Amino acid sequence: AQTVTQSQPEMSVQEAETVTLSCTYDTSESNYYLFWYKQPPSRQMILVIRQEAYKQQNATENRFSVNFQKAAKSFSLKISDSQLGDTAMYFCAFRGSGGSYIPTFGRGTSLIVHP
Amino acid sequence: DVKVTQSSRYLVKRTGEKVFLECVQDMDHENMFWYRQDPGLGLRLIYFSYDVKMKEKGDIPEGYSVSREKKERFSLILESASTNQTSMYLCASSLGQFNQPQHFGDGTRLSIL
Repeated sequence: AQTVTQSQPEMSVQEAETVTLSCTYDTSESNYYLFWYKQPPSRQMILVIRQEAYKQQNATENRFSVNFQKAAKSFSLKISDSQLGDTAMYFCAFRGSGGSYIPTFGRGTSLIVHP
Repeated sequence: DVKVTQSSRYLVKRTGEKVFLECVQDMDHENMFWYRQDPGLGLRLIYFSYDVKMKEKGDIPEGYSVSREKKERFSLILESASTNQTSMYLCASSLGQFNQPQHFGDGTRLSIL
């Protein structure tokens, strides 16, 4: 069974600064995808970024990028130039190629961006 | 864009009632999911459906059942609501490959009195 751990329940950052959210996972599978989702207060959860395990290049989506360390089973999310609208719960998720493809989520990190 | 629609944003029910939460997606996704979200506990999977009439129990299925008679609709049923089922319920859907992300509804905040 897979596990996903987000060790930072809460984080805060000043507007325009950079923040990194950590995520580690444990799996015996060799092929899988990792995802970061964002859930703003009282709003819908949406995909931020995803990374394929076989790709060495870290995924980037505008101000959001990941640091994927496959050997260390680490998948951190870096938010550059933080904006007030980045205030949200962030969830890390794993989806493996074996079995029924049921995703495994971390418990989430609450990020507050201060003006 | 994929749209996942949950029938109610807020719902208040009484202990012992049978409660139906409905979820509809418009993108012909094979997979549909029901999660419960509680502070500090993240998302916990209640049930997963990988096709019409097919379902798998998740981590916390006790006290819940599901129905998927049509591909676009996935219903969560609380057979006899109890106060410990007060929570936020999220529905999600995805294509049936492991590289596909999930698309979520707005959530239903359910209170059982």
